[in-house]
Amino acid sequence: AQRVTQPEKLLSVFKGAPVELKCNYSYSGSPELFWYVQYSRQRLQLLLRHISRESIKGFTADLNKGETSFHLKKPFAQEEDSAMYYCALMNSGYSTLTFGKGTMLLVSP
Amino acid sequence: DAGVTQSPTHLIKTRGQQVTLRCSPKSGHDTVSWYQQALGQGPQFIFQYYEEEERQRGNFPDRFSGHQFPNYSSELNVNALLLGDSALYLCASSVLMNTEAFFGQGTRLTVV
Repeated sequence: AQRVTQPEKLLSVFKGAPVELKCNYSYSGSPELFWYVQYSRQRLQLLLRHISRESIKGFTADLNKGETSFHLKKPFAQEEDSAMYYCALMNSGYSTLTFGKGTMLLVSP
Repeated sequence: DAGVTQSPTHLIKTRGQQVTLRCSPKSGHDTVSWYQQALGQGPQFIFQYYEEEERQRGNFPDRFSGHQFPNYSSELNVNALLLGDSALYLCASSVLMNTEAFFGQGTRLTVV
C-alpha cells in the first residue's frame, strides 16, 4: 500500500534560516510526488511537483528514490512562508492523491 | 474563473441524518475528486468521478456516495451520519490525465 510520511508536525525557524520539511514515501511503482501548501484561511494549492523540477517561491524538492524521500527545502525562510505543507503521492493513472499528515512551518521574525 | 467552488461552507447535522455537499469544478475540468480531512490529518481520498461514473474509490464505507452531472459538477452524499464523519470535505478538479488538481475551499461538516 502506498503511504506518505511527514515526521514533523511543527517546524519553527527564524527568518533567514534554512528550512527542510521532510517527506518519505512508500510506493511500489515509479512515484510522482507533489508538495501542496495551505496558507491561513486559503485553499490547498500546489507548490511544486517533482516532474517539473522547478523552483517555486524559492522552494525546491528532489526525489531520492534510494531513500524514498522528497524533502522540501528553502535556503532562506521568509515570514510569508508560514503555512501548512503537505507532501502527496499520486496514484498512477488516476490523478488521485495520497497525502501525508502535514507539517506546520512557522517562520518568526 | 472562480476556480473550484463548494457549497455550503459550513453545516451542522445530527447523528443518523443524511447530508449532500456540492462542488463545481474549475472551468475546463472534467474530473472531480473528493477528500475528507479530519482535524490534524492530511486529506484522505474518498472517490473520483469522470464522465458521470465513479472511477476510483478510497477506503470509505458505502454510506459515502456521489454523483457527477453532465456539466461536470458533483455531489457527495453521506447517509446515517456518525460523529466521526465530522471533518472538512474537499473537492478537487482536474483534467483527466493531467496531474495537477485544484482544490476548493471545502465544506466543514459537524455532526452532533
